[in-house]
Amino acid sequence: GENVEQHPSTLSVQEGDSAVIKCTYSDSASNYFPWYKQELGKGPQLIIDIRSNVGEKKDQRIAVTLNKTAKHFSLHITETQPEDSAVYFCAASIDTDKLIFGTGTRLQVFP
Amino acid sequence: NAGVTQTPKFQVLKTGQSMTLQCAQDMNHEYMSWYRQDPGMGLRLIHYSVGAGITDQGEVPNGYNVSRSTTEDFPLRLLSAAPSQTSVYFCASRTTGFGYTFGSGTRLTVV
Repeated sequence: GENVEQHPSTLSVQEGDSAVIKCTYSDSASNYFPWYKQELGKGPQLIIDIRSNVGEKKDQRIAVTLNKTAKHFSLHITETQPEDSAVYFCAASIDTDKLIFGTGTRLQVFP
Repeated sequence: NAGVTQTPKFQVLKTGQSMTLQCAQDMNHEYMSWYRQDPGMGLRLIHYSVGAGITDQGEVPNGYNVSRSTTEDFPLRLLSAAPSQTSVYFCASRTTGFGYTFGSGTRLTVV
């Protein structure tokens, strides 16, 4: 079955710097790759997703890139702000429903 | 719209007790899922449903039952609670072409 690895487990950046979180997946049939942000005590919130027919997608300060050949995808956050501090999860699935999640990255943005 | 509503928010059970975690959504979403979140393991899929009357197993279905008699509700039943089921449970829903929206979770402790 699918396996998703996520790195790093923790990431600390200065406000205004960029942050990059990377995930690799094992099943070449996976075609949907969402990213979720989870704040303390809350449920995960979908922040961006990408499908396998697209190599890159942007939404304001966040972007996701996908390399199907290498089977990895990354989340890029530019101009980080303290409110970006949270745990970020990547996921992969073949049919959008059976998401396999990575183990999460705790991002801390210091003012 | 209230989104995805989960009740209760907190629950303590004794080993062997049964209970139902409630999940309701008011967005007329066809797809609904249950995940559990354990420290260091990300989220894992328990059961999911692609529409009323249709359910299927995820990664970790043992010890849990679900039913989907209406579009709005997707309850998760613990048949005989075990300490290994101590976790945070998230319900999520989506419609065609979009990613999952998660509820705020139920924190369950089995003693």
